[in-house]
Amino acid sequence: SQTIHQWPATLVQPVGSPLSLECTVEGTSNPNLYWYRQAAGRGLQLLFYSVGIGQISSEVPQNLSASRPQDRQFILSSKKLLLSDSGFYLCAWSVRGGGETQYFGPGTRLLVL
Amino acid sequence: DAKTTQPNSMESNEEEPVHLPCNHSTISGTDYIHWYRQLPSQGPEYVIHGLTSNVNNRMASLAIAEDRKSSTLILHRATLRDAAVYYCILWPNSGYALNFGKGTSLLVTP
Repeated sequence: SQTIHQWPATLVQPVGSPLSLECTVEGTSNPNLYWYRQAAGRGLQLLFYSVGIGQISSEVPQNLSASRPQDRQFILSSKKLLLSDSGFYLCAWSVRGGGETQYFGPGTRLLVL
Repeated sequence: DAKTTQPNSMESNEEEPVHLPCNHSTISGTDYIHWYRQLPSQGPEYVIHGLTSNVNNRMASLAIAEDRKSSTLILHRATLRDAAVYYCILWPNSGYALNFGKGTSLLVTP
């Protein structure tokens, strides 16, 4: 069966510090991968998606970036965090193609102080 | 991207059916209607999806209007564990859903 891992579960970082959140998927090959952010009291906002190694599409311009160094690994990064980067970050995967069910990871709660 | 409209919150008694509405008047012919739910401090969980016909699974039923401009998620017997935020989103057959919106917060009371 497929599983998706995210770490860390929680993170408290000072403004201006770097960020690296990792997501890995097991039990499937060639998945589509997604990063979402959920600010307090708001819905999920798609940040990045990837259809393959090295292929990243950004939905929202910001100080975050994403990379996919391996087929089942998706990394969210920032060189300098802002207060507005606080939120609940969720990684998800789906079978390659459109209209498919997404499976979400447990999420990382980030607080920028 | 096609948008959906849901009530901010709904309340139900335990053991009673719940009908969660969603309006999507700008839906295109190839958009799938997906429902997810999110329990507190967890990632969203897939519930059900459909294109034109009504769908049933072990979690819920999805009733889709004939013109596809609205749909209803039906929980046949609400339990306390069904208390969550329910999202209705449109998923293009050849694209990617962009935003989940705020969804409907379902409160289930004993």
